[in-house]
Amino acid sequence: KAGVTQTPRYLIKTRGQQVTLSCSPISGHRSVSWYQQTPGQGLQFLFEYFSETQRNKGNFPGRFSGRQFSNSRSEMNVSTLELGDSALYLCASSWGQGVNTEAFFGQGTRLTVV
Amino acid sequence: KNEVEQSPQNLTAQEGEFITINCSYSVGISALHWLQQHPGGGIVSLFMLSSGKKKHGRLIATINIQEKHSSLHITASHPRDSAVYICAVKRGSNQFYFGTGTSLTVIP
Repeated sequence: KAGVTQTPRYLIKTRGQQVTLSCSPISGHRSVSWYQQTPGQGLQFLFEYFSETQRNKGNFPGRFSGRQFSNSRSEMNVSTLELGDSALYLCASSWGQGVNTEAFFGQGTRLTVV
Repeated sequence: KNEVEQSPQNLTAQEGEFITINCSYSVGISALHWLQQHPGGGIVSLFMLSSGKKKHGRLIATINIQEKHSSLHITASHPRDSAVYICAVKRGSNQFYFGTGTSLTVIP
């Protein structure tokens, strides 16, 4: 059974550009959540999608957005990139939203903004 | 104040030592995960706990819901256990809040 797949693994962008990251959950999983990891702030919650609907959003500016498709694949987009957006972006998938549903994490996309 | 506090931040141990990493949280949770992150970034979930104790090989995780505290123990530590260990609490649906991580180095 394939794990959570994030693409691309590494990305270098220039300030002011926009970027789209992709997360393919484990087959059958309907919930996808996104996290940003930086050395200074650690892991922080970005947003969560379930059945194509955004269920929760973390405390990030509107430049960060996302969506989920009918096949549960999710994308996140960051517009007008800033140097501080350089980070490891992780997604996690789970079958549902219940208390005892386990989450599985991807390998992450490392974004460098120059 | 961070909702999830982990200690210690850094830990160096000799191979074979018993290791304990602690996690305290201040919010209501539906479950707690212990995660392992190796250099390169990928995260693996070691345990998901909502009560009691779980054991997997040399790893043991416990949680005390009343005291809002969890511990991860590694028995007979090995250099391949060197990694960052992160406590993550799940609130409601699939939203996690994370501790700052414990960087473990096991010396042969």
